[in-house]
Amino acid sequence: EMQVVESGGGLVQPGGSLTLSCTASGFTFGASWMSWVRQAPGKGLEWVANIQPEGHEKHYVESVKARWTLSRDNAENSLSLEMYDLRAEDTAVYYCVRCRNYFDSRGQKRFYFDYWGQGTLVTVSP
Amino acid sequence: QSVLTQPPSVSAAPGQKVTISCSGSSSNIGKNYVSWYQQFPGKAPKLLIYDNNRRPSGIPDRFSGSKSGTSATLAITGLQAGDEAVYYCGTWDDSLNTGGVFGGGTEVIVL
Repeated sequence: EMQVVESGGGLVQPGGSLTLSCTASGFTFGASWMSWVRQAPGKGLEWVANIQPEGHEKHYVESVKARWTLSRDNAENSLSLEMYDLRAEDTAVYYCVRCRNYFDSRGQKRFYFDYWGQGTLVTVSP
Repeated sequence: QSVLTQPPSVSAAPGQKVTISCSGSSSNIGKNYVSWYQQFPGKAPKLLIYDNNRRPSGIPDRFSGSKSGTSATLAITGLQAGDEAVYYCGTWDDSLNTGGVFGGGTEVIVL
C-alpha cells in the first residue's frame, strides 16, 4: 500500500523556523519527484515546491524562494522542508505528495500529484 | 487570485450531470496536461483525473475530463450525494515564475 506520512507541524512565531518531514512507502521513492502542496484555512490548494528524484533539481513557488529549502534522503525514503522566516500567510496544512513530472513526445508536460499524505498543520502566530 | 479560474460552485439534482470549467492560458493549460482532484472536508485531496482525461484505478467512469485550447472541463454524470466535495484543477505553468498551479476550487452541491 502506498503511504505518505508528514510530521513536524506546529505553532511558531513570525520570523521563526520549522522543519517538516515526510516518509514514504509502497512505491519507489528514489525514482519519484516529490512535492509539498499547502492549503491555508478555508482556502484552496497551492503548490509550494518540488524536487527531482536525485535531488539536484528543485522548484519553489515565488513566495518561499530564498526562505525555504527542500531536500531528500533516498536511503531513508524521506523528504524535508526547512522553513525559515515564517510569516502569518504561511499558516496552512502542508501535504507531502508524490509528483508525476515528465514530458511527452510532443514536449507537453505531464504534472500531477497521485499520492497524498494526510497533511500537517503549520500555524504562524505570535 | 488563482492562476486557473473555476466557478465557486455548481449544483444539480441526484442523477443529473454537472460540468466544472477550468480556464487558463497559453503558458499553462494551453501547453500542458491537466489534472483534477476531489477533496472532502477535513480530508486530503485525491487524484481524480490526470493527463486531461485519464482516470486512476478505482475512479468510476462517471467522472471524465476533457481539454480544449486553454480550458479544461470535469464532468460528473449520474450525480450522487457522495459526490458533494470541492474539486480542483491543476497543471504546470511555463511562465516566468514557473511552477505548479491550481484553480480556486469548485464546490459541487447535490440538491
